[in-house]
Amino acid sequence: EVQLVESGGGLVQPGGSQRLSCAASGFTFTSYAMSWVRQAPGKGLEWVSTITVSGDSTYYVDSVKGRFTISRDNSKSTLYLQMNSLRAEDTAVYYCAALYAGRFDPWGQGTLVIVSS
Amino acid sequence: EIVLTQSPGTLSLFPGERATLSCRASQSVSSLYLAWYQQKPGQAPRLLIYGASSRATGIPDRFSGSGSGTDFTLTISRLEPEDFAVYYCQQYGSSSWTFGQGTKVEIK
Repeated sequence: EVQLVESGGGLVQPGGSQRLSCAASGFTFTSYAMSWVRQAPGKGLEWVSTITVSGDSTYYVDSVKGRFTISRDNSKSTLYLQMNSLRAEDTAVYYCAALYAGRFDPWGQGTLVIVSS
Repeated sequence: EIVLTQSPGTLSLFPGERATLSCRASQSVSSLYLAWYQQKPGQAPRLLIYGASSRATGIPDRFSGSGSGTDFTLTISRLEPEDFAVYYCQQYGSSSWTFGQGTKVEIK
């Protein structure tokens, strides 16, 4: 069974840091670029970041550039998102997703990050 | 950045009716890189359509996609109870991915 399982969400203070993980199983992790997509409460989907198969190229939405870092460990089939200098507007459910030919499939179940004092 | 605008914001229909959802891009999008997703409350999005018109694995044939350039359409031929959800279009271009704001299909 194809599975993506996110973890690491929780409550964090403004200006703080959080590291999200996404463990992949049931498919060949090293064949796919990977991405993070977030959804603020009651809002739509927003692409956050993408990393290539080898990890040598990364891409970010402008609002997180310089604050978030995407990485992957292919030996562990795990994707990461290091989030620094967090703001209230970063509050969202963060989904990891495999990326192929421009589309996201499959998706994890998401992990909620709340940035609040 | 390519902006995707979906319409209508909400579509109120009876089960069995046809649903037509629109996605308009601010500039031309390659059909290869236009996808549609379905999201139900409390669930992750699910890929429905990719390449503007190809159904993802396991997606019923009542779902179809069409369009090119800046105008794309998702059609649900006859709504089943499980189809009431929010639908998003998404595009890829120039190392950037964007989603439309979503269309909610609700039971009338």
